[in-house]
Amino acid sequence: SQKIEQNSEALNIQEGKTATLTCNYTNYSPAYLQWYRQDPGRGPVFLLLIRENEKEKRKERLKVTFDTTLKQSLFHITASQPADSATYLCALPNSGGYQKVTFGTGTKLQVIP
Amino acid sequence: EAEVAQSPRYKITEKSQAVAFWCDPISGHATLYWYRQILGQGPELLVQFQDESVVDDSQLPKDRFSAERLKGVDSTLKIQPAELGDSAMYLCASSFRGGSYEQYFGPGTRLTVT
Repeated sequence: SQKIEQNSEALNIQEGKTATLTCNYTNYSPAYLQWYRQDPGRGPVFLLLIRENEKEKRKERLKVTFDTTLKQSLFHITASQPADSATYLCALPNSGGYQKVTFGTGTKLQVIP
Repeated sequence: EAEVAQSPRYKITEKSQAVAFWCDPISGHATLYWYRQILGQGPELLVQFQDESVVDDSQLPKDRFSAERLKGVDSTLKIQPAELGDSAMYLCASSFRGGSYEQYFGPGTRLTVT
């Protein structure tokens, strides 16, 4: 199965700066990768999907890159705001099974006013 | 906007008791997922349904956990008997289809086993 690595340490960033979160994976290259946001005590919320043939995807202040050579996705939040404080999870499909998706452990982002 | 419903939101039960969780997915979503999430970790898939059929339950502890989606709509996850290690958040999600389709999560059920 896919092994996913996200920085388990919390990321603290000053308001207005760009936050960059990393998702590394081992084993095979996935056809796509998803990013979710999770607030404490709540279920994850889908943010973005990027496919293997896409280098970059944007949505408002969010940008995701996908480097299949490095086996890495970067998730950027520009002009970060305190409301962006949450845990961000990446999710990738497994190689087998019925398109099962595996989630990383997530990185907690804290935006400091 | 349509949402995934789950109940109960919180459940406290004693070890060896039975507990059940209910999930009502977004209408029209064929795929339903049950996840378990321990604090500080990502959601771990327990079981995935496509309509009424189980398509993945490889991580479901089948000696004590069971799940059903009889009519391909709502679903129930049961634990019997509950153990202390089952304390976690149980999340239900649904998607139009499996795979790359985005998953919509419910609010979860926080289970505490004493």
